[in-house]
Amino acid sequence: AQSVAQPEDQVNVAEGNPLTVKCTYSVSGNPYLFWYVQYPNRGLQFLLKYITGDNLVKGSYGFEAEFNKSQTSFHLKKPSALVSDSALYFCAVRAPMDSNYQLIWGAGTKLIIKP
Amino acid sequence: EAGVAQSPRYKIIEKRQSVAFWCNPISGHATLYWYQQILGQGPKLLIQFQNNGVVDDSQLPKDRFSAERLKGVDSTLKIQPAKLEDSAVYLCASSPGSLGTGELFFGEGSRLTVL
Repeated sequence: AQSVAQPEDQVNVAEGNPLTVKCTYSVSGNPYLFWYVQYPNRGLQFLLKYITGDNLVKGSYGFEAEFNKSQTSFHLKKPSALVSDSALYFCAVRAPMDSNYQLIWGAGTKLIIKP
Repeated sequence: EAGVAQSPRYKIIEKRQSVAFWCNPISGHATLYWYQQILGQGPKLLIQFQNNGVVDDSQLPKDRFSAERLKGVDSTLKIQPAKLEDSAVYLCASSPGSLGTGELFFGEGSRLTVL
């Protein structure tokens, strides 16, 4: 079965330190990979995506993500965390053969940045 | 470009009452999704429309939930009668479908509290 795993329910990072939010997937073929962020009482906002090409993709708010095909991972990273980065982060995957263009969602990781 | 519009943002009802949520997608987006997001969890797809046709409603509790997208533009999601476990945020999203690479654009959500 196709799935997305975010192994950490919560990640705590001190402001100014680098952060990583992990995501692994199990999808046939070459997937399309996405990260979304959700601030309190808001909808989900698109951060970045990997479709093809360079394994390191850059997105909004200084975030980047690295696609690793051999480890089937797509970890979200930022070199220097801000308190305002505190939010809920979701990884999502689309199987390339899915003609319905549906996303498979991870359970989310709560990121807490402490001053 | 205007984003996905949803209303109302908040609704409180008693169990067994009915409620309706409205969504207007981004102009030109053929695909429209309704998701249910329970606090602390990832979004769960309820129904997906392609223009005014249903692509997937396999997770829609059809005994109490209904949705329509009559003219292939805006959509309404209805719950009747509501149960306590329907308390959640109902997210509407749209995408260009086959014209895009898979990212979804979300509205701010409609938070439902059932007492």
